Amino acid sequence: QKEVEQNSGPLSVPEGAIASLNCTYSDRGSQSFFWYRQYSGKSPELIMSIYSNGDKEDGRFTAQLNKASQYVSLLIRDSQPSDSATYLCAVRTGANSKLTFGKGITLSVRP
Amino acid sequence: NAGVTQTPKFQVLKTGQSMTLQCAQDMNHNSMYWYRQDPGMGLRLIYYSASEGTTDKGEVPNGYNVSRLNKREFSLRLESAAPSQTSVYFCASMGLAGRSYNEQFFGPGTRLTVL
Repeated sequence: QKEVEQNSGPLSVPEGAIASLNCTYSDRGSQSFFWYRQYSGKSPELIMSIYSNGDKEDGRFTAQLNKASQYVSLLIRDSQPSDSATYLCAVRTGANSKLTFGKGITLSVRP
Repeated sequence: NAGVTQTPKFQVLKTGQSMTLQCAQDMNHNSMYWYRQDPGMGLRLIYYSASEGTTDKGEVPNGYNVSRLNKREFSLRLESAAPSQTSVYFCASMGLAGRSYNEQFFGPGTRLTVL
């Protein structure tokens, strides 16, 4: 059973729109949540981390966490063509240092 | 500061051949990881090393072995390569304190094809 689920996508939005990316996880003991961005042919890079319920904003990016409903989302405001990439949700459970990744969703921002 | 480096960047093997993928980090991180990434599958953990001297299996360890040579280096070995091991392999490291706490940094990847 996959522990971290993301919509399969792809997701296409026009430039300037808000892109909403969602992720659900199965383990209620999960404590740390991450969003990675991966450009085609490149390695993943961390763009957001969130540890407590609510919203966390960083520039055009907002991560939202709802532990009761077991979902975490990423909002990208004023989407730009440079945001076109695959976005990976990752979850850390318990005291170990492992992350479990979702399959990722590919975002395309149309000029 | 090179971050996480991996060698080689590309490799083509024949079925049954062996090879070792090398990974090194210069960030004084305790934990290191090997992932494989296949189309539509996300990142899957092969092995990880929570600290120097320890290694543990991840989600897909069959067909692989690892060595945590020292705090900086973590290698992945394919003893007898199979076409199912054709993939992109990423090494990552994570710090347990300071600015890089809880953040995994990834190397550039190794693209492996097994014929």
